[in-house]
Amino acid sequence: DQQVKQNSPSLSVQEGRISILNCDYTNSMFDYFLWYKKYPAEGPTFLISISSIKDKNEDGRFTVFLNKSAKHLSLHIVPSQPGDSAVYFCAALVNNNDMRFGAGTRLTVKP
Amino acid sequence: DTGVSQDPRHKITKRGQNVTFRCDPISEHNRLYWYRQTLGQGPEFLTYFQNEAQLEKSRLLSDRFSAERPKGSFSTLEIQRTEQGDSAMYLCASSLAGDSSGSPQYFGPGTRLLVL
Repeated sequence: DQQVKQNSPSLSVQEGRISILNCDYTNSMFDYFLWYKKYPAEGPTFLISISSIKDKNEDGRFTVFLNKSAKHLSLHIVPSQPGDSAVYFCAALVNNNDMRFGAGTRLTVKP
Repeated sequence: DTGVSQDPRHKITKRGQNVTFRCDPISEHNRLYWYRQTLGQGPEFLTYFQNEAQLEKSRLLSDRFSAERPKGSFSTLEIQRTEQGDSAMYLCASSLAGDSSGSPQYFGPGTRLLVL
Protein backbone atom coordinates (compact mmCIF):
# COMPACT_ATOMS: atom_id res chain seq x y z
CA ASP A 1 0.00 0.00 0.00
CA GLN A 2 1.95 2.97 -1.30
CA GLN A 3 0.56 6.01 0.45
CA VAL A 4 3.10 8.42 -1.02
CA LYS A 5 3.71 8.38 -4.75
CA GLN A 6 6.23 10.08 -6.97
CA ASN A 7 5.12 9.22 -10.46
CA SER A 8 8.09 10.69 -12.32
CA PRO A 9 11.20 8.54 -11.87
CA SER A 10 13.38 11.17 -13.51
CA LEU A 11 13.49 14.84 -14.48
CA SER A 12 16.03 16.74 -16.54
CA VAL A 13 16.31 20.52 -16.36
CA GLN A 14 18.67 23.15 -17.74
CA GLU A 15 20.83 25.07 -15.27
CA GLY A 16 19.16 28.30 -14.19
CA ARG A 17 15.64 27.10 -14.95
CA ILE A 18 13.01 25.92 -12.52
CA SER A 19 12.82 22.30 -11.34
CA ILE A 20 9.38 21.09 -10.25
CA LEU A 21 9.18 17.78 -8.43
CA ASN A 22 5.75 16.35 -7.74
CA CYS A 23 4.31 14.06 -5.10
CA ASP A 24 0.84 12.65 -4.44
CA TYR A 25 -0.47 11.04 -1.29
CA THR A 26 -3.55 9.12 -0.27
CA ASN A 27 -3.67 9.35 3.53
CA SER A 28 -5.46 12.48 4.70
CA MET A 29 -4.08 11.91 8.22
CA PHE A 30 -0.55 12.94 7.27
CA ASP A 31 0.33 16.02 9.30
CA TYR A 32 3.73 16.96 7.91
CA PHE A 33 5.36 16.55 4.54
CA LEU A 34 9.09 16.59 3.95
CA TRP A 35 11.50 16.55 1.05
CA TYR A 36 14.83 14.77 1.20
CA LYS A 37 17.71 14.82 -1.24
CA LYS A 38 19.98 11.82 -1.70
CA TYR A 39 23.37 11.60 -3.35
CA PRO A 40 24.87 8.20 -4.25
CA ALA A 41 26.44 6.34 -1.33
CA GLU A 42 24.98 8.79 1.19
CA GLY A 43 21.88 8.78 3.37
CA PRO A 44 18.96 11.08 2.54
CA THR A 45 19.47 14.71 3.59
CA PHE A 46 16.55 16.72 4.93
CA LEU A 47 15.70 19.72 2.72
CA ILE A 48 12.45 21.33 3.68
CA SER A 49 9.14 20.49 5.33
CA ILE A 50 5.60 21.81 5.44
CA SER A 51 2.83 21.41 7.96
CA SER A 52 -0.51 20.15 6.68
CA ILE A 53 -2.10 23.39 7.88
CA LYS A 54 -0.01 25.47 5.48
CA ASP A 55 0.05 25.70 1.73
CA LYS A 56 3.54 27.07 1.13
CA ASN A 57 6.93 27.06 2.76
CA GLU A 58 10.01 28.71 1.32
CA ASP A 59 13.69 28.32 2.17
CA GLY A 60 16.11 30.02 -0.18
CA ARG A 61 15.90 28.43 -3.62
CA PHE A 62 13.50 25.76 -2.37
CA THR A 63 9.75 26.19 -2.07
CA VAL A 64 7.25 23.48 -1.19
CA PHE A 65 3.59 23.87 -2.13
CA LEU A 66 0.81 21.80 -0.60
CA ASN A 67 -2.63 21.34 -2.15
CA LYS A 68 -4.62 19.40 0.44
CA SER A 69 -7.78 19.11 -1.60
CA ALA A 70 -5.81 17.44 -4.40
CA LYS A 71 -3.55 15.56 -1.95
CA HIS A 72 -0.61 16.87 -3.90
CA LEU A 73 2.63 18.61 -3.05
CA SER A 74 5.46 19.90 -5.13
CA LEU A 75 9.01 21.09 -4.61
CA HIS A 76 10.22 24.01 -6.70
CA ILE A 77 13.92 24.70 -7.07
CA VAL A 78 14.75 28.08 -8.57
CA PRO A 79 17.26 28.58 -10.09
CA SER A 80 18.39 25.01 -10.57
CA GLN A 81 22.11 24.32 -10.24
CA PRO A 82 24.18 21.32 -11.35
CA GLY A 83 24.84 20.52 -7.68
CA ASP A 84 21.12 19.94 -7.23
CA SER A 85 21.41 16.78 -9.32
CA ALA A 86 20.35 13.98 -6.95
CA VAL A 87 17.42 11.75 -6.11
CA TYR A 88 14.62 13.62 -4.33
CA PHE A 89 12.28 11.79 -1.97
CA CYS A 90 8.94 13.05 -0.84
CA ALA A 91 7.97 11.87 2.65
CA ALA A 92 4.91 12.22 4.83
CA LEU A 93 4.57 12.01 8.59
CA VAL A 94 1.60 10.78 10.56
CA ASN A 95 1.44 10.98 14.36
CA ASN A 96 4.76 12.84 14.20
CA ASN A 97 6.80 9.66 13.93
CA ASP A 98 5.52 7.29 11.23
CA MET A 99 7.18 8.48 8.01
CA ARG A 100 6.35 7.12 4.57
CA PHE A 101 8.52 7.78 1.54
CA GLY A 102 7.84 7.96 -2.16
CA ALA A 103 10.03 6.02 -4.59
CA GLY A 104 12.05 9.12 -5.49
CA THR A 105 12.66 11.27 -8.56
CA ARG A 106 16.12 11.55 -10.06
CA LEU A 107 16.81 15.17 -10.96
CA THR A 108 19.53 15.99 -13.46
CA VAL A 109 20.47 19.62 -13.90
CA LYS A 110 22.44 20.15 -17.09
CA PRO A 111 25.03 22.95 -17.32
CA ASP B 1 29.16 18.54 14.22
CA THR B 2 28.62 14.79 14.47
CA GLY B 3 25.69 13.61 12.45
CA VAL B 4 24.24 10.13 12.44
CA SER B 5 26.91 7.49 11.93
CA GLN B 6 26.53 3.86 10.94
CA ASP B 7 28.94 0.98 11.05
CA PRO B 8 29.89 -0.89 8.97
CA ARG B 9 29.27 0.95 5.73
CA HIS B 10 29.33 -2.29 3.74
CA LYS B 11 28.78 -5.91 4.69
CA ILE B 12 28.99 -9.00 2.53
CA THR B 13 27.86 -12.23 4.12
CA LYS B 14 26.83 -15.72 3.17
CA ARG B 15 23.25 -16.84 3.38
CA GLY B 16 22.43 -18.21 6.81
CA GLN B 17 24.93 -16.06 8.69
CA ASN B 18 23.99 -13.50 11.31
CA VAL B 19 24.90 -9.84 10.89
CA THR B 20 24.73 -6.87 13.26
CA PHE B 21 24.75 -3.20 12.35
CA ARG B 22 25.32 -0.26 14.65
CA CYS B 23 23.88 3.24 14.56
CA ASP B 24 24.99 6.24 16.60
CA PRO B 25 22.38 9.00 16.44
CA ILE B 26 22.84 12.73 16.86
CA SER B 27 23.58 13.01 20.57
CA GLU B 28 20.63 15.10 21.71
CA HIS B 29 18.07 13.18 19.63
CA ASN B 30 15.78 10.90 21.60
CA ARG B 31 14.18 9.12 18.65
CA LEU B 32 15.98 6.58 16.49
CA TYR B 33 14.63 4.88 13.39
CA TRP B 34 15.68 2.00 11.18
CA TYR B 35 14.74 1.84 7.51
CA ARG B 36 15.50 -0.49 4.65
CA GLN B 37 15.96 0.74 1.09
CA THR B 38 16.13 -1.35 -2.05
CA LEU B 39 17.05 -0.20 -5.53
CA GLY B 40 14.53 2.17 -7.08
CA GLN B 41 12.50 2.54 -3.90
CA GLY B 42 12.29 5.00 -1.09
CA PRO B 43 13.27 4.02 2.45
CA GLU B 44 10.81 1.63 4.12
CA PHE B 45 10.21 1.97 7.83
CA LEU B 46 11.31 -0.96 9.99
CA THR B 47 11.17 0.19 13.60
CA TYR B 48 11.70 3.14 15.90
CA PHE B 49 12.75 3.87 19.46
CA GLN B 50 11.99 6.72 21.77
CA ASN B 51 14.88 6.67 24.22
CA GLU B 52 15.37 2.97 24.99
CA ALA B 53 11.78 1.94 24.31
CA GLN B 54 10.96 0.29 20.98
CA LEU B 55 7.59 1.85 20.20
CA GLU B 56 6.73 0.54 16.78
CA LYS B 57 7.71 -2.31 14.49
CA SER B 58 6.77 -2.71 10.85
CA ARG B 59 5.33 -5.89 9.39
CA LEU B 60 8.54 -5.93 7.33
CA LEU B 61 10.46 -6.73 10.50
CA SER B 62 10.30 -10.51 10.56
CA ASP B 63 11.27 -12.51 13.63
CA ARG B 64 14.78 -12.85 12.17
CA PHE B 65 15.25 -9.13 12.75
CA SER B 66 15.83 -7.62 16.16
CA ALA B 67 16.75 -4.12 17.18
CA GLU B 68 17.93 -2.78 20.50
CA ARG B 69 18.75 0.56 22.02
CA PRO B 70 19.78 -0.48 25.52
CA LYS B 71 20.87 2.87 26.96
CA GLY B 72 18.83 5.17 24.79
CA SER B 73 21.89 6.19 22.78
CA PHE B 74 23.29 3.91 20.06
CA SER B 75 21.23 1.14 18.50
CA THR B 76 21.96 -2.21 16.92
CA LEU B 77 20.02 -4.05 14.25
CA GLU B 78 20.65 -7.79 14.02
CA ILE B 79 19.55 -10.04 11.21
CA GLN B 80 19.70 -13.74 11.95
CA ARG B 81 19.93 -16.48 9.33
CA THR B 82 20.29 -13.95 6.52
CA GLU B 83 18.54 -14.56 3.21
CA GLN B 84 19.35 -13.17 -0.21
CA GLY B 85 16.22 -11.05 -0.01
CA ASP B 86 17.74 -9.21 2.94
CA SER B 87 20.24 -7.56 0.59
CA ALA B 88 19.51 -3.85 0.82
CA MET B 89 20.72 -0.56 2.24
CA TYR B 90 19.88 -0.29 5.94
CA LEU B 91 19.44 3.31 7.01
CA CYS B 92 19.33 4.73 10.49
CA ALA B 93 17.83 8.12 11.31
CA SER B 94 17.32 10.17 14.43
CA SER B 95 15.09 13.03 15.43
CA LEU B 96 14.12 15.16 18.38
CA ALA B 97 10.59 14.54 19.57
CA GLY B 98 8.57 17.70 19.85
CA ASP B 99 10.50 19.61 17.20
CA SER B 100 8.06 22.16 15.78
CA SER B 101 8.92 21.44 12.16
CA GLY B 102 7.44 17.96 12.23
CA SER B 103 10.50 16.27 13.74
CA PRO B 104 12.58 15.92 10.56
CA GLN B 105 14.62 12.78 10.68
CA TYR B 106 18.32 13.02 9.97
CA PHE B 107 19.81 10.03 8.24
CA GLY B 108 23.12 8.27 8.49
CA PRO B 109 25.06 7.10 5.43
CA GLY B 110 23.58 3.59 5.63
CA THR B 111 24.97 0.08 5.73
CA ARG B 112 24.83 -1.74 2.42
CA LEU B 113 24.25 -5.46 2.97
CA LEU B 114 24.87 -8.06 0.30
CA VAL B 115 23.86 -11.63 1.08
CA LEU B 116 25.47 -14.17 -1.23
